[in-house]
Amino acid sequence: DIVMTQTPLSSPVTLGQPASISCRSSQSLVHSDGNTYLSWLQQRPGQPPRLLIYKISKRFSGVPDRFSGSGAGTDFTLKISRVEAEDVGVYYCTQVTQFPITFGQGTRLEIK
Amino acid sequence: EVQLVESGGGLVQPGGSLRLSCAASGFTVSSNYMTWVRQAPGKGLEWVSVIYSGGSTYYADSVKGRFTVSRDNSKNTLYLQMSSLRVEDTAVYYCATAPGWSLFDYWGQGTLVTVSS
Repeated sequence: DIVMTQTPLSSPVTLGQPASISCRSSQSLVHSDGNTYLSWLQQRPGQPPRLLIYKISKRFSGVPDRFSGSGAGTDFTLKISRVEAEDVGVYYCTQVTQFPITFGQGTRLEIK
Repeated sequence: EVQLVESGGGLVQPGGSLRLSCAASGFTVSSNYMTWVRQAPGKGLEWVSVIYSGGSTYYADSVKGRFTVSRDNSKNTLYLQMSSLRVEDTAVYYCATAPGWSLFDYWGQGTLVTVSS
């Protein structure tokens, strides 16, 4: 199984400041079709998860452009350019390149 | 507008069975990838199962042989038949869907399954 490791597990951030979450996979996420199926999900308190980013860097419909994804191979990053109060929650990276589909442990973003 | 509404959760004894439903609107379940993901209380996300538009199904090892995913195209509904339930199956179960292999474009609100004696 591909293990997804996120750092940090908790990130206190000041409103208006940037935030960054890293995700490392135990093996390459490059699929045989050439795509890299790495996504980022946001889960606000008491809510279901929500797709933010797919295929490393593609923002899903309706996602603010302050969210961006980058990376390649086994190392990926989610960046929030200026954190807003509504960004509080837990962020998960997930790989759908290979079965079983796996998730990172989650990173809790909180406001200082 | 895409909507997913899960139902069927509840309290069940270990060894029991339960069937979850995920009623879809705004798209056709037979045209999309349909996925079940669960989240134990206070824990992270765990993939459970996926059914392809073509009907192929895949399962996490933790549920293989005990859970079955299916769909009823006439009702535009996804199902998860769960049997031989264990205490560790206690979780909120979400269904999710996508037309492509991003899998997680849209999510339901979830339904809570509690396995306890």
